[in-house]
Amino acid sequence: GIQVEQSPPDLILQEGANSTLRCNFSDSVNNLQWFHQNPWGQLINLFYIPSGTKQNGRLSATTVATERYSLLYISSSQTTDSGVYFCAVPMDTGRRALTFGSGTRLQVQP
Amino acid sequence: DAGVIQSPRHEVTEMGQEVTLRCKPISGHNSLFWYRQTMMRGLELLIYFNNNVPIDDSGMPEDRFSAKMPNASFSTLKIQPSEPRDSAVYFCASRRNKNIQYFGAGTRLSVL
Repeated sequence: GIQVEQSPPDLILQEGANSTLRCNFSDSVNNLQWFHQNPWGQLINLFYIPSGTKQNGRLSATTVATERYSLLYISSSQTTDSGVYFCAVPMDTGRRALTFGSGTRLQVQP
Repeated sequence: DAGVIQSPRHEVTEMGQEVTLRCKPISGHNSLFWYRQTMMRGLELLIYFNNNVPIDDSGMPEDRFSAKMPNASFSTLKIQPSEPRDSAVYFCASRRNKNIQYFGAGTRLSVL
């Protein structure tokens, strides 16, 4: 199956700082999603981004499919951005279920 | 849209008891997924259905686990008998033909 690696595993920021989270995957994919798991455990969709760049407010994401990586940018971080960020891709070619990276745990301090 | 609805949100039970988790997918979605999240193994697929038919159950840990989808708007995941190692957060997700999966709020299961 496809392997997903995320970095860094942990990140501590001061409020207002910017950050970049990285997701590497081991094979070509036609689907990539970024999720935020908030402190209450809910998995919130951030981006569906198999390729290209998207922006949503202070968050943006870029996937370079040919080089098998995706980046999530968080600008002007806020305490509400705290939680775990997951990258997920299909488990294998032709399979619809997702395989998840181990996540980046972000803590934004006031 | 109400999103994916899971119940109960929390379940505490004793070892050996039967546990049933429930999921209502988003209306119009034709694929439904059950995932489990633990500290040791992270998020992993248990089973998924397409048009109410089980397609991939390779993640179901053993015969104690079973899942059904009797119609397009309801699915259950049953554990019988439950064991302490089944303690985890169980997520249900659904999607339509486009690839975006939407997750429910999860059921936190504790087996004592």
